[in-house]
Amino acid sequence: GAGVSQSPSNKVTEKGKDVELRCDPISGHTALYWYRQSLGQGLEFLIYFQGNSAPDKSGLPSDRFSAERTGGSVSTLTIQRTQQEDSAVYLCASSLGGVSYNEQFFGPGTRLTVL
Amino acid sequence: AQSVTQLGSHVSVSEGALVLLRCNYSSSVPPYLFWYVQYPNQGLQLLLKYTSAATLVKGINGFEAEFKKSETSFHLTKPSAHMSDAAEYFCAVSGSGTYKYIFGTGTRLKVLA
Repeated sequence: GAGVSQSPSNKVTEKGKDVELRCDPISGHTALYWYRQSLGQGLEFLIYFQGNSAPDKSGLPSDRFSAERTGGSVSTLTIQRTQQEDSAVYLCASSLGGVSYNEQFFGPGTRLTVL
Repeated sequence: AQSVTQLGSHVSVSEGALVLLRCNYSSSVPPYLFWYVQYPNQGLQLLLKYTSAATLVKGINGFEAEFKKSETSFHLTKPSAHMSDAAEYFCAVSGSGTYKYIFGTGTRLKVLA
């Protein structure tokens, strides 16, 4: 496909379990972003990858959150010991490069529900 | 530091009426400004962006926005609303030297028949 894809589209888990969310960016896009969208909130920046540079993790809300990007392409966001407040839509976006006027292309998101 | 304020979390307009969604920004550097639209259960899609060229920016689906530095505003307008415009709209700011977008909290547009 030509767009950003994310899987799963929906994830329901029990409190305390670990979850992994996957993002496949557009081929050739060197920049990749993760955001969290909670009900009634805007998009909260989580983490940014640009090429082989060290990621900007400044938006991760706690040490239970981590992300990696393998081979400069696919990225996985991992949430350990999930809490109910982690329930949200997690959006991934990619762009041609880490220049802020480049359009970010968004995936459809993963809706995470923690029971 | 940068921030975005979207006035009105919900806006309702009649079909055929003017759409006006408000966005005010704060930025310590010359800003880049964006409007994104999100349809239900979908990701965000770029409507238009301002990157210091023309202050009146035209986007897709008949939307446009005007950058007004003196008012620190970037309001989104469309002359005539269509039912298909019902969605959530996000304003975002970035700037030279940064790769981050700062998003507003969004405005949900409802179009009444």
